[in-house]
Amino acid sequence: QVQLQESGPGLVKPSETLSLTCTVSGVSISSYYWTWIRQPPGKGLEWTGHIYISGSPSYNPSLESRVTISLDTSKNQFSLKLSSVTAADTAVYYCARLRNGGANRAFDIWGQGAMVTVSS
Amino acid sequence: DIQMTQSPSSLSASVGDRVTITCRASQSISSYLNWYHQKPGKAPELLIYVASTLQSGVPSRFSGGGSGTDFTLTISSLQPEDFATYYCQQSYSTPYTFGQGTKLEIK
Repeated sequence: QVQLQESGPGLVKPSETLSLTCTVSGVSISSYYWTWIRQPPGKGLEWTGHIYISGSPSYNPSLESRVTISLDTSKNQFSLKLSSVTAADTAVYYCARLRNGGANRAFDIWGQGAMVTVSS
Repeated sequence: DIQMTQSPSSLSASVGDRVTITCRASQSISSYLNWYHQKPGKAPELLIYVASTLQSGVPSRFSGGGSGTDFTLTISSLQPEDFATYYCQQSYSTPYTFGQGTKLEIK
């Protein structure tokens, strides 16, 4: 059974860098695409970017200058870094698997989510 | 970016009702359309992909249709566990985008 679990600080100060890690169990991260999706309180869902073992990550242009997604195959983890955060980055951050097979492309397995608040 | 617009934004219905939610894309996305539902405090769950294919384990009362720019999600007979917020999402091109959500509430 594939499971994803987010971890990281729940509080980040404005202008600092938000860092989250997603630990994957039940499957090798080398076999799929992996993504981060965020949801501000009471609002909708926003794709931040995804990564695969080969090639460059793909990022949402709205965040591209501030976001980095990376893989650690030795730990079967992937990570999100978002720099220069503001209150607008306060959200629940979900890691998810992107099943990438042509039109079958979908976020099929999700972590439980990690609430990150940006505040001094 | 491809804009996804859902209607209605909220919907009240009773157990046993048939309900339909629509999703419109700002340009053609072929059948690259997925549906999710999300219960309060939980992560979204994939219901339907490629516009009309049920994800494994999803009850057959859920169905999806459409192609191009107009899509529907239908629940044939609402069950208590179906009251949630529903999102469509296009996987045609990055940035992948979601609709604003449809909150399905108990009447």
